[in-house]
Amino acid sequence: NAGVTQTPKFRVLKTGQSMTLLCAQDMNHEYMYWYRQDPGMGLRLIHYSVGEGTTAKGEVPDGYNVSRLKKQNFLLGLESAAPSQTSVYFCASSYGQARGQPQHFGDGTRLSIL
Amino acid sequence: AQSVAQPEDQVNVAEGNPLTVKCTYSVSGNPYLFWYVQYPNRGLQFLLKYITGDNLVKGSYGFEAEFNKSQTSFHLKKPSALVSDSALYFCAVRSEGSYNQGGKLIFGQGTELSVKP
Repeated sequence: NAGVTQTPKFRVLKTGQSMTLLCAQDMNHEYMYWYRQDPGMGLRLIHYSVGEGTTAKGEVPDGYNVSRLKKQNFLLGLESAAPSQTSVYFCASSYGQARGQPQHFGDGTRLSIL
Repeated sequence: AQSVAQPEDQVNVAEGNPLTVKCTYSVSGNPYLFWYVQYPNRGLQFLLKYITGDNLVKGSYGFEAEFNKSQTSFHLKKPSALVSDSALYFCAVRSEGSYNQGGKLIFGQGTELSVKP
């Protein structure tokens, strides 16, 4: 039972390069989320999805795009990477509107922008 | 606006002693409250939650948390700390009515717990 899997685990980019982070979940969850974690700031929501084919902006969406073409996958794209996007990125998923369902997290992608 | 505050960046405890990690929140409507733990180079792991009912909730690894509505607090506790409890702990909140916003969680900034032998 893999849960939430993120690829890649580490990546170094140069300013201006683009890349896509992949998140896959095998729990048949409806909701998926992308967060970034920076020291002393907790987790901040970038984008989220409440179902296949739907996406919405979170707290810090600028510079990122997402797609949810399949229920089990949620992709996060950086079109033109900037040093301010150096961070640890976490994907999470949860069941739909059921009360109080916790989010399940992947182990993160550590991204450095030079 | 919803918010979560963890007033201590770090908590130091001797092994065997009780521990408390503090959390206060602000949310419109009834809160759903969560505690997560993060070990180095890992994602967040769910510990426990408060939805409704008994103010004292029990979770994984012997942790418990007390919901106090008047003080808008949800402190994490453990009667006897272990060295293996050393990790980063996050409190999170969402409002009862946030399901139409994807059930978004608001996280505190985290508290580093260090348990010494």
